Amino acid sequence: GENVEQHPSTLSVQEGDSAVIKCTYSDSASNYFPWYKQELGKRPQLIIDIRSNVGEKKDQRIAVTLNKTAKHFSLHITETQPEDSAVYFCAASLRAGNMLTFGGGTRLMVKP
Amino acid sequence: DAGVIQSPRHEVTEMGQEVTLRCKPISGHDYLFWYRQTMMRGLELLIYFNNNVPIDDSGMPEDRFSAKMPNASFSTLKIQPSEPRDSAVYFCASSLSTGLTLHFGNGTRLTVT
Repeated sequence: GENVEQHPSTLSVQEGDSAVIKCTYSDSASNYFPWYKQELGKRPQLIIDIRSNVGEKKDQRIAVTLNKTAKHFSLHITETQPEDSAVYFCAASLRAGNMLTFGGGTRLMVKP
Repeated sequence: DAGVIQSPRHEVTEMGQEVTLRCKPISGHDYLFWYRQTMMRGLELLIYFNNNVPIDDSGMPEDRFSAKMPNASFSTLKIQPSEPRDSAVYFCASSLSTGLTLHFGNGTRLTVT
């Protein structure tokens, strides 16, 4: 089955700096890669996703890049703010919305 | 839309007791998932259903765990007997087969003493 590795496990940045979280996946057939944000004590919520036919996608301060050849994808957050502090999970799936395999999570701390 | 509804929010029980977690998916969603979250193992998929039928239960840790989905609007995850190592946050999530987003409930924090 699919295996998703996520790095780093923790990341601390100063407010205004950029943050990058990286994930690798094992199943070359995976074609859907969402990112979820989980604030303390709350449920994971989708923040951005990318399909395998796209190399990059942006939404305001966040962007995701995908390298299918290398089987890795990354989340980029620019101009970080304290409210970006949370645990971020990457995931991979063969079909959109179904049977997601999650990475281990990255705890992002943005220091004011 | 009320979202995915889980109950209870918190459950504290003693080792050996039976625990039942409940989930109501978003109306119209045809996929339902049960995940377990711990610090050590992250988010683990336990089992998922499509149109009320269990599709993959390979993530269920052992026979003490069972899940049912008697209809499209209700699912249960049962642990019998419970053990301290079962302590975790259990999330239910639902999605559409044609959709992109997995919608999580607020989770049930289970503590087994």
